[in-house]
Amino acid sequence: GENVEQHPSTLSVQEGDSAVIKCTYSDSASNYFPWYKQELGKGPQLIIDIRSNVGEKKDQRIAVTLNKTAKHFSLHITETQPEDSAVYFCAASISAGNMLTFGGGTRLMVKP
Amino acid sequence: DTEVTQTPKHLVMGMTNKKSLKCEQHMGHRAMYWYKQKAKKPPELMFVYSYEKLSINESVPSRFSPECPNSSLLNLHLHALQPEDSALYLCASSQEGGGFTGELFFGEGSRLTVL
Repeated sequence: GENVEQHPSTLSVQEGDSAVIKCTYSDSASNYFPWYKQELGKGPQLIIDIRSNVGEKKDQRIAVTLNKTAKHFSLHITETQPEDSAVYFCAASISAGNMLTFGGGTRLMVKP
Repeated sequence: DTEVTQTPKHLVMGMTNKKSLKCEQHMGHRAMYWYKQKAKKPPELMFVYSYEKLSINESVPSRFSPECPNSSLLNLHLHALQPEDSALYLCASSQEGGGFTGELFFGEGSRLTVL
């Protein structure tokens, strides 16, 4: 089955700096790669996703890049703010299945 | 309405109790999921219902029994649980029922403590 590795497990940045979280996946058939943000006491919420026919996608301060050859994808957050502090999960899935495989999570702390 | 509502938010039960977790969505989604999340870990898939039929059971012990009474409701019946079953139980839904191609909408979870 699919295996998703996520690094780093914790990341501390100063407000205004950029943050990068990286994930690798094992199954070359995976074609959908979402990122979820989980704030304390809440369920995960989708913040951005990318499909395998696209190399990069951007939404305001958040961007995701995908390298299918190397089987890795990354989340980039620019101009970080304290409200970006949360746990971020990457995930991968194959269309026509009903399963997401999550990475281990990254705890992002943005210091004011 | 883009919410998945879970009740109760907190539940404490003894190992001999029987209790249920409930989940509701009114987005017309055709797939509903139960996940288990331990502290500092990612969500782990337990069950998937697609078009109100159980389509995936991730080898979950029989002390957890899911039920999907209709397309908007999902229950998780709990019986004879163990202390290691203490966790956050997350319900989620997605639009498609026949294959996963899009966003999972999660509820806020039910935090279960088994004494």
